[in-house]
Amino acid sequence: GNSVTQMEGPVTLSEEAFLTINCTYTATGYPSLFWYVQYPGEGLQLLLKATKADDKGSNKGFEATYRKETTSFHLEKGSVQVSDSAVYFCALSLTGGGNKLTFGTGTQLKVEL
Amino acid sequence: DGGITQSPKYLFRKEGQNVTLSCEQNLNHDAMYWYRQDPGQGLRLIYYSQIVNDFQKGDIAEGYSVSREKKESFPLTVTSAQKNPTAFYLCASSTRWGTATNEKLFFGSGTQLSVL
Repeated sequence: GNSVTQMEGPVTLSEEAFLTINCTYTATGYPSLFWYVQYPGEGLQLLLKATKADDKGSNKGFEATYRKETTSFHLEKGSVQVSDSAVYFCALSLTGGGNKLTFGTGTQLKVEL
Repeated sequence: DGGITQSPKYLFRKEGQNVTLSCEQNLNHDAMYWYRQDPGQGLRLIYYSQIVNDFQKGDIAEGYSVSREKKESFPLTVTSAQKNPTAFYLCASSTRWGTATNEKLFFGSGTQLSVL
């Protein structure tokens, strides 16, 4: 079946530190990959996406590269801010599956001054 | 402003009671979805609807029911058959349903359901 595995949190960083949140996937087809972010008490928002191998999604200083050879889509940011504190979800969708998303378990990020 | 509105924000259910969660969107989206979020787990798909008057079961549909009588509305009923209903419920929508896989989902702000 299809699945997404994320590193467990919480991840606690100091402001301006470098962030990596690991995400790997298993899929029966050729998926599109997404990162969604959930701020406290809110729904999810799309952060970035990539639809084919070697694509790089980027938004708000965050980046992730679709690596088919390692089935990975790791999220990175060079310098985190307190306002980046949230839960980050990696997800995939498959061709022919409409827009049904398979989500990872989420990784909580806490950024401290 | 366009968006998805979920209500209520908090809901309490008594034993044996059915409760209905509201989801309304004014984005003119064809497709709508219901997800359940439990602590430490990812989101799991309950039901989805590709178009008005049509809906399909997701991965965990047992104990839930939906309707899609209007394009903008997709209410979810948590029935008494759902034995573990305490969770955070998220409604989402997307422009359309199709073979393309890169459609963005727009999420509501969620309803926290608890059992009394």
